[in-house]
Amino acid sequence: QVQLKESGPGLVQPSQTLSLTCTVSGFSLTSNSVSWVRQPPGKGLEWMGAIWSGGSTDYNSALKSRLSISRDTSKSQVFLKMNSLQTEDTAIYFCTARFDYWGQGVMVTVSS
Amino acid sequence: DIQMTQSPSFLSASVGDRVTINCKASQNINRYLNWYQQKLGEAPKLLIYNANSLQTGIPSRFSGSGSGTDFTLTISSLQPEDVATYFCLQHNSWPRTFGAGTKLELK
Repeated sequence: QVQLKESGPGLVQPSQTLSLTCTVSGFSLTSNSVSWVRQPPGKGLEWMGAIWSGGSTDYNSALKSRLSISRDTSKSQVFLKMNSLQTEDTAIYFCTARFDYWGQGVMVTVSS
Repeated sequence: DIQMTQSPSFLSASVGDRVTINCKASQNINRYLNWYQQKLGEAPKLLIYNANSLQTGIPSRFSGSGSGTDFTLTISSLQPEDVATYFCLQHNSWPRTFGAGTKLELK
């Protein structure tokens, strides 16, 4: 059974760095891509970036300068790091495998 | 980037009603369009992939149609458990882009 679960801090201060973890089970990261997607309150979904089965990454051009995605295949985990957070980065952050399977998301609030 | 325009934003319908939700792409995306159901606090669930293919385990009252730029999700007979937000995703090109969502409520 494919499962993904996001974890991370619920509150981040402005200008700080967000670190999130997506822990997966039921499939291999070396055979499937994982993307991060976010949804600000009351707004639509935005694809942030992806890490491919071979380990390479792609990022949304709007976030590329602030975003880094990596993984630890031995732990079945994918990581998101985004710096210089602002209030507009307040959102639910999801990880998804090939857009077929999704985690339930983690709410991140950027506030002092 | 491909813009996905989803309509309506809100929809109120009765049990047993036929419900349709639309997504329009700003350019041709062939049939590379998925539909998802999202309930509060839950992971989005894939309903329809490649415009008209029903994901395994999804009830047959859900169907999808369309190609090119215009797509429709249809629920043939609305059930109480279908109350959710529905959104579309284009996977024809990067970056992947989403419709803004349709919140479906019971009348």
